[in-house]
Amino acid sequence: GAGVSQTPSNKVTEKGKYVELRCDPISGHTALYWYRQSLGQGPEFLIYFQGTGAADDSGLPNDRFFAVRPEGSVSTLKIQRTERGDSAVYLCASSPGQPSPGEQFFGPGTRLTVL
Amino acid sequence: GNSVTQMEGPVTLSEEAFLTINCTYTATGYPSLFWYVQYPGEGLQLLLKATKADDKGSNKGFEATYRKETTSFHLEKGSVQVSDSAVYFCALSDRGSSNTGKLIFGQGTTLQVKP
Repeated sequence: GAGVSQTPSNKVTEKGKYVELRCDPISGHTALYWYRQSLGQGPEFLIYFQGTGAADDSGLPNDRFFAVRPEGSVSTLKIQRTERGDSAVYLCASSPGQPSPGEQFFGPGTRLTVL
Repeated sequence: GNSVTQMEGPVTLSEEAFLTINCTYTATGYPSLFWYVQYPGEGLQLLLKATKADDKGSNKGFEATYRKETTSFHLEKGSVQVSDSAVYFCALSDRGSSNTGKLIFGQGTTLQVKP
């Protein structure tokens, strides 16, 4: 079956521009997570959706970052007025249902470069 | 707050050598513990997990035991192969009152196995 997919795989943008990163979770997975991985570091949690609602957005670094999941499936991470420090790999993960100590399935990530 | 600390890499071993990658954690409550692996050019994959004290997770010859008394979850393998070369991440998921399932990762340890 299809895994988690993310588009684009690479995004290069200029400082100050707006970007959108897309995540398609595994079909039927109600839980969706976004993480950010800087070079040489582990992934850092950004936001968690259960269904359509953002149940935990405590990891979003500031109000330039926003994410939506309007129909409880595809999610879009939106970054306004990008800064060079936003350059990182953005990872999406999904899991089957209610939070449990179970497996999150990760996508391949979107590498964002802000020039 | 919750955190995970891994031994710094890179770790370079010869094929068939014994592997240990240390991981310690700080958490409130009783977290679940995970090891994820990232092979070159691929996304994060769950390697093994343990959900309570004294549990042993195992997969592909790797093992890790949840040690509450030492707050550790060290990864071991008796005989590494070249194909084990990858970046290994220790992570925890706090099952406290929020119970979102979000993962907190260590910084990753790069393993290189030489023939």
